[in-house]
Order: sequence, then C-alpha cells, then structure tokens
Amino acid sequence: RKEVEQDPGPFNVPEGATVAFNCTYSNSASQSFFWYRQDCRKEPKLLMSVYSSGNEDGRFTAQLNRASQYISLLIRDSKLSDSATYLCVVNRDDSWGKLQFGAGTQVVVTP
Amino acid sequence: GAVVSQHPSRVICKSGTSVKIECRSLDFQATTMFWYRQFPKQSLMLMATSNEGSKATYEQGVEKDKFLINHASLTLSTLTVTSAHPEDSSFYICSARHAGTSGGRNTYNEQFFGPGTRLTVL
Repeated sequence: RKEVEQDPGPFNVPEGATVAFNCTYSNSASQSFFWYRQDCRKEPKLLMSVYSSGNEDGRFTAQLNRASQYISLLIRDSKLSDSATYLCVVNRDDSWGKLQFGAGTQVVVTP
Repeated sequence: GAVVSQHPSRVICKSGTSVKIECRSLDFQATTMFWYRQFPKQSLMLMATSNEGSKATYEQGVEKDKFLINHASLTLSTLTVTSAHPEDSSFYICSARHAGTSGGRNTYNEQFFGPGTRLTVL
C-alpha cells in the first residue's frame, strides 16, 4: 500500500464550479500535512498547510480527518489558472522534515 | 525571498558519463537540502537528505556511490549522477528547508523547491 494515495483524476471542472478531492495516508503518526500544486514539467509549489481544525485560504479550503487518515482540498469558483496537479504531502514520522508525496490529482478547469 | 535555483535546467548526456546538478538557496541559508526524483506521472520520491558539513542520508534503494551528494556550504548542495544510464533519465528536484519568514509569512520548516533538472541519458 502506498503511504500517500490520491485519485489521479483528471477532474474536469467548468470554470466557476467547485471541485473537491481527498488524499489518504497510511502512517497514523504523521504530524504535518500540506497541499502542493505542480504545473506540467515544473517544480511543486506550496499551496497551503493543513491544520487540524481545517483552514481556508481564499478559494481553497483544506480539511484533515485524523481518525480516518485523510485530508481534503476544496476549490471554489474555479479559475482556468487552477488547472494543475495537486499533490498531497505528509511528513514522515521517522525524521523531521522528510516529506512523502502523493502522485497527485489532476484538475482541468474548462471555459 | 526564499528562492532556490538549480543548474542546469536540462541536460542530455551519453550513457556512461557523469552529470553534476547544483542546487542553491539564493537568499537564505539552508542547513538541510533534499534531493528528489520524479518519473512521468509518478510522485516525487525522496532520494537523500543533504546536511551541510556532514554526509548525506540516503533513502532505501538509492545507491550512494551512484548518486554522490556534497553539501559544502549553507547555500549549495550538488548531486552527481555517476556513470549515468538511460534508466536514470528523470526529473531531479532539490528543496531547501527554510526556517524564518518570507514575504512576512512564517515559513518555519517550509521546504522551497528548485525548478528541477530534466536529465536525459541516451
């Protein structure tokens, strides 16, 4: 079983619509969670950290469910520029600072 | 602030040659840098953790004699792929851990990624 699993998609979303997707992680000792965005053939860029109480950053809302070991990302009012691959990232408990990446969920926002 | 550069951005080499990739933190000091590899449609896989002034720590399955890492200063880490083969063709990305603030935002322990190096071994 992969440590971090994501639905690869693609999620085809009309512009202005809402899209949400989850990620599951296997290590219950994980402490830090993030969503990164990766554009085609580019490096990942931090979108937002995910806090236990859930958090929002503009049109993006992240939730953490420790009991079920999943995190989610919701994008409201999708823009064409939101088209990207969204990477679920979890810290590894064995060494502070090491990150475990999911393979990513592709989102395609269409006009 | 918190910018990481990589050089070269793209390299094509013949099988059997060695390739050196540089990772620099341009406006901050990074005691720890990480090297990742990403194959098409797959996740980033951590190869090794590079600590300034000490030996790198390699992940299981990564050959330390093939992927030589040197972290000689607080702003530079290098990855050398020795005797490269076609199966080493991949996207290599470094990241540097930043503790402090960037643009007014607390970036404690946030990792900033370089733009990556696309290696093609013929």
